[in-house]
Amino acid sequence: QKEVEQDPGPLSVPEGAIVSLNCTYSNSAFQYFMWYRQYSRKGPELLMYTYSSGNKEDGRFTAQVDKSSKYISLFIRDSQPSDSATYLCAMSYTGRRALTFGSGTRLQVQP
Amino acid sequence: DTGVSQNPRHKITKRGQNVTFRCDPISEHNRLYWYRQTLGQGPEFLTYFQNEAQLEKSRLLSDRFSAERPKGSFSTLEIQRTEQGDSAMYLCASASLGVSGNTIYFGEGSWLTVV
Repeated sequence: QKEVEQDPGPLSVPEGAIVSLNCTYSNSAFQYFMWYRQYSRKGPELLMYTYSSGNKEDGRFTAQVDKSSKYISLFIRDSQPSDSATYLCAMSYTGRRALTFGSGTRLQVQP
Repeated sequence: DTGVSQNPRHKITKRGQNVTFRCDPISEHNRLYWYRQTLGQGPEFLTYFQNEAQLEKSRLLSDRFSAERPKGSFSTLEIQRTEQGDSAMYLCASASLGVSGNTIYFGEGSWLTVV
């Protein structure tokens, strides 16, 4: 079983929809949680960074962490065609140098 | 552009040849990482440098792989005697030591195709 599980999609939504992307994890030591966006054949771009549990909002993006359920989410409001990309969750903990990534969810926002 | 820079962006090589990738991290970042990503998967950790010291290597980093970071600036990743299974995107990332945890920034990646 992988430490981090992520539905690969693809997830197809109409422009303007609210998108919900999720990851589950098994290692309770994880305390740093990140979401990256990756366009085709490009490197991952850091979108959101959250420490421990709670919510964080940045523009149209909201990240949620529920450590009790080992579940993290990224919400995208008013989705745009330019949001079409693969979204990767990543996590780590103090003393662990490497990030552990999910396999990514491919999102398609239809105009 | 002051982001992480990787070269070459694409490399096609014949099986058995050696290849080398270069990474120039963000200038004030003293932490440097190499990851590998295959199609449909998330990046997988290969190795980590703090300044010029290579402090961690993944089990994925076989003895055909070697990474260096002379003088704590740019880094190189060399793959010797390439195999078709080495075909992947090799990602470099950098970060600064600080209180912000693990905010790591990736480069655009170097695509390797072994034929």
